[in-house]
Amino acid sequence: QKEVEQNSGPLSVPEGAIASLNCTYSDRGSQSFFWYRQYSGKSPELIMSIYSNGDKEDGRFTAQLNKASQYVSLLIRDSQPSDSATYLCAVAPNNYKLSFGAGTTVTVRA
Amino acid sequence: GAVVSQHPSRVICKSGTSVKIECRSLDFQATTMFWYRQFPKQSLMLMATSNEGSKATYEQGVEKDKFLINHASLTLSTLTVTSAHPEDSSFYICSARDGRGGPGTQYFGPGTRLLVL
Repeated sequence: QKEVEQNSGPLSVPEGAIASLNCTYSDRGSQSFFWYRQYSGKSPELIMSIYSNGDKEDGRFTAQLNKASQYVSLLIRDSQPSDSATYLCAVAPNNYKLSFGAGTTVTVRA
Repeated sequence: GAVVSQHPSRVICKSGTSVKIECRSLDFQATTMFWYRQFPKQSLMLMATSNEGSKATYEQGVEKDKFLINHASLTLSTLTVTSAHPEDSSFYICSARDGRGGPGTQYFGPGTRLLVL
């Protein structure tokens, strides 16, 4: 079983819609969770971190964490073409090294 | 967020040569930096953890004699790919931990694209 699993996509959404990305992890003791955005040919950029159960909102992004279900998600509201990228879920089991999922590719159709 | 730089951004070299990549934290001190490698269409794979003033910790399957890491100061880590071969061609990305961003937060440099001919 992979440490962090994501649907690879591609996830195609129309402009203005909500994009929903899901991630599950295997280490129940994990404490820190991150979403990174990676444009083609570029390095990852941190967009959200979450540490407690529940929702965390930052602009058009909302991260949701459910430690009991070992599940973390990212919602992108009012999706824009500039949101087209690969979104990487990362988990820090011991707040030290990050384990990355394979990434979900999102395409926002204008 | 914290700023991490890498140099060079792109390098082309002949097989058998060595290539050095620098990673710098520009606005914070980083006792720990990480080196990743990413092949096309794949996710990031951690190669090693670079600790200031001590030896790097390598992930399983990564040859420490081939990928030399030096973390001589709190703002600079270097990765040297020794005797590079075409199969070493990849996107090398460093990251640094910045405690201001919360536990476990890592900020990435822009990456170095290596092509070995």
